[in-house]
Amino acid sequence: GQQLNQSPQSMFIQEGEDVSMNCTSSSIFNTWLWYKQDPGEGPVLLIALYKAGELTSNGRLTAQFGITRKDSFLNISASIPSDVGIYFCAGQGETSGSRLTFGEGTQLTVNP
Amino acid sequence: KAGVTQTPRYLIKTRGQQVTLSCSPISGHRSVSWYQQTPGQGLQFLFEYFSETQRNKGNFPGRFSGRQFSNSRSEMNVSTLELGDSALYLCASSLWTGIAYEQYFGPGTRLTVT
Repeated sequence: GQQLNQSPQSMFIQEGEDVSMNCTSSSIFNTWLWYKQDPGEGPVLLIALYKAGELTSNGRLTAQFGITRKDSFLNISASIPSDVGIYFCAGQGETSGSRLTFGEGTQLTVNP
Repeated sequence: KAGVTQTPRYLIKTRGQQVTLSCSPISGHRSVSWYQQTPGQGLQFLFEYFSETQRNKGNFPGRFSGRQFSNSRSEMNVSTLELGDSALYLCASSLWTGIAYEQYFGPGTRLTVT
């Protein structure tokens, strides 16, 4: 089925570094959501974006909804060890109800 | 407010058996969606229920079914289990913000089929 292209697949960084990851799609989405998943748990909602061009922050996290409505990025500043996990982007279409299409995920490793 | 709860958390079944998973959404949320997560396919949408009606369905065989009760609790059923059904099954309850749906996930049920 439809899939979002998320990159990079994995990142290994030092504590304190900034991180950037992004998602692209061939289809337009009306909403972009970013989630973090820890091992053995469900995804946790980090940021929701509702308008093209929107830039939203949540603490050290910043995400943007691309102007074309086909992409989004997530930045994490000054990473800390508890940022370790898998980050997923997800898009929601206009007629899809609450249905989400997910990216493949970015595995983040932070070395202390 | 309590989060999304799923039971059981872990389950081991044998090929050919059937299984029922349960999900209780966040209080006040009327939409419940189910997703399958596997290492190979990632997170795939199964179906969505709203006010006891299936509103959306993913591309899964008819062995996968679900239902929603009047209190918004939902169950999903998988019949004639196959080895490939081993996965983390996630339930999400949705809140309409006036602009879009925000989905909140439960911890999942880890199903292993042997």
